[in-house]
Amino acid sequence: DAGVIQSPRHEVTEMGQEVTLRCKPISGHDYLFWYRQTMMRGLELLIYFNNNVPIDDSGMPEDRFSAKMPNASFSTLKIQPSEPRDSAVYFCASSLGQKETQYFGPGTRLLVL
Amino acid sequence: QKEVEQNSGPLSVPEGAIASLNCTYSDRGSQSFFWYRQYSGKSPELIMFIYSNGDKEDGRFTAQLNKASQYVSLLIRDSQPSDSATYLCAVRNTGFQKLVFGTGTRLLVSP
Repeated sequence: DAGVIQSPRHEVTEMGQEVTLRCKPISGHDYLFWYRQTMMRGLELLIYFNNNVPIDDSGMPEDRFSAKMPNASFSTLKIQPSEPRDSAVYFCASSLGQKETQYFGPGTRLLVL
Repeated sequence: QKEVEQNSGPLSVPEGAIASLNCTYSDRGSQSFFWYRQYSGKSPELIMFIYSNGDKEDGRFTAQLNKASQYVSLLIRDSQPSDSATYLCAVRNTGFQKLVFGTGTRLLVSP
């Protein structure tokens, strides 16, 4: 299996621009998680899906962030408009079952200038 | 108080020594505890999990859990330079069934 796939791996954008991060979970996994990692706050859960349905988005920092999962093999995290404080590494993870091991993708390093 | 706390380090140990990494958590009802390893610039990978009080061993790694003290630790025996990484403690929150991560402890193993 190819593991969790994320794109792009690196993104540099200017403040105010829209940013879209993409994730393909491991085939057959029914849970998908979006995390953000910064030096100050560590790894934080933003939102997670079960069978393509958002279950808990309480970690989404504000309305500028939105996430979708139109099918079992694809999810997006969108930031509009982006701000410098959004600069972080964004990880997608998936698992087979909520309590099972979460497998992380390689992450997207986002820099907002 | 943070939900999961770890000393940021770095923790420096010589090759061959035992590295001891510690984590405390605030949710007394937490049931599942995980240790992830993250190399610089890479994604976290699970190395150990523990559910019951006591010790759990897997090769050179031992996870220790003390629910009464709300404390979980990871021991790495015969530390190798390749063990140099950041170790993230994660606790499954009983209320929301989410994983809550600590900010990690950076381990440096010198040859």
